[in-house]
Amino acid sequence: ETGVTQSPTHLIKTRGQQVTLRCSSQSGHNTVSWYQQALGQGPQFIFQYYREEENGRGNFPPRFSGLQFPNYSSELNVNALELDDSALYLCASTNRPGGWETQYFGPGTRLLVL
Amino acid sequence: AQSVTQPDIHITVSEGASLELRCNYSYGATPYLFWYVQSPGQGLQLLLKYFSGDTLVQGIKGFEAEFKRSQSSFNLRKPSVHWSDAAEYFCAVGFSGGGADGLTFGKGTHLIIQP
Repeated sequence: ETGVTQSPTHLIKTRGQQVTLRCSSQSGHNTVSWYQQALGQGPQFIFQYYREEENGRGNFPPRFSGLQFPNYSSELNVNALELDDSALYLCASTNRPGGWETQYFGPGTRLLVL
Repeated sequence: AQSVTQPDIHITVSEGASLELRCNYSYGATPYLFWYVQSPGQGLQLLLKYFSGDTLVQGIKGFEAEFKRSQSSFNLRKPSVHWSDAAEYFCAVGFSGGGADGLTFGKGTHLIIQP
């Protein structure tokens, strides 16, 4: 059984640029959630994708967007990067979108915005 | 407003000593409760969860947690810590609406183990 994987592991961008982060869900999982973890903070829910559609969203602006593909993998896109977007971005997968089944987290992508 | 509080930013415990990490939540009903651990450079690993039933739940790595409705708390305990337990611990709560609303995490407690 393959766990949740994320790429890249680290990324450096400049303010105003755009970034795409990728996540492959655990085998058999059809739902992917994204979280942002700023330094010294707990993760904050960005959004969840199920059946290639956004299924729920936290308090993040529209410049945070996502995609889910037929193989359940997912992308997080952030436009017009700001310095405060510097964080660890975590992807989590589960096998059911509407409940509180255990979410399995990937190792994260650390984004630095200069 | 719904919230999760971990009052202790850092806790230092001697190896072999007992441990208790505190978690409180603010919510009008019983939420879904989780504890996760994060080691440096790693993602989050689920230690245990509480949905309903017995208020004392057992998890992995010898951890347990007790749900106390009257105190809106879900404290994590371990009778004897090992140096490998040094990590960041997060309490997370699922409020109503199901998983599509995402988990709400506390700010975490950094656990330091003294030899």
